[in-house]
Amino acid sequence: AQTVTQSQPEMSVQEAETVTLSCTYDTSESDYYLFWYKQPPSRQMILVIRQEAYKQQNATENRFSVNFQKAAKSFSLKISDSQLGDAAMYFCAANYGGATNKLIFGTGTLLAVQP
Amino acid sequence: NAGVMQNPRHLVRRRGQEARLRCSPVKGHSHVYWYRQLPEEGLKFMVYLQKENIIDESGMPKERFSAEFPKEGPSILRIQQVVRGDSAAYFCASSPWSSYSSYNSPLHFGNGTRLTVT
Repeated sequence: AQTVTQSQPEMSVQEAETVTLSCTYDTSESDYYLFWYKQPPSRQMILVIRQEAYKQQNATENRFSVNFQKAAKSFSLKISDSQLGDAAMYFCAANYGGATNKLIFGTGTLLAVQP
Repeated sequence: NAGVMQNPRHLVRRRGQEARLRCSPVKGHSHVYWYRQLPEEGLKFMVYLQKENIIDESGMPKERFSAEFPKEGPSILRIQQVVRGDSAAYFCASSPWSSYSSYNSPLHFGNGTRLTVT
């Protein structure tokens, strides 16, 4: 089965520190796309960062970067210089291809940022 | 440019009533997806539609649930005879085309409709 697993229901980080959120996935496909979405209390789903599986280089977007380990099927999100506005639920998601372009989501990690 | 618009934002229905959730995709997007988020869970795919066609409804319950995306107007997710287990946040997302390269056409999500069944 094609799955996405987030094993950390909750995480906490001090403001200005760095935190890493874990995500593992399972697929037999060789090419696929991985995403991290942020969901604040407003419920809006905000795309944080994305990675194509065939690209070796880890994606980076400002303070957000990923550690993509294809052999280990791991896709962790690192948030540097954490800010209060980073507090939210974070979802890892995968698009394993096919005609529908649908996303498979993990169960999320609730990130708290301590001042 | 307006993003994906969903309404209502909150919807309360009594058991047995019908719920109609609306989604207006980003202007120019012809592909719509519906996802359901149960409490404490991630989003689960329900259905994928193109204009006037249902392409993939593999995630939608076979009974009581239906979806449409007419040539004109918003996409509608309809839940008949709602039960307490239908209480969830329902999200709509749109994209301009359904290419495998979702990297270049990421899904744009609405803010969801929270359905509460009493």
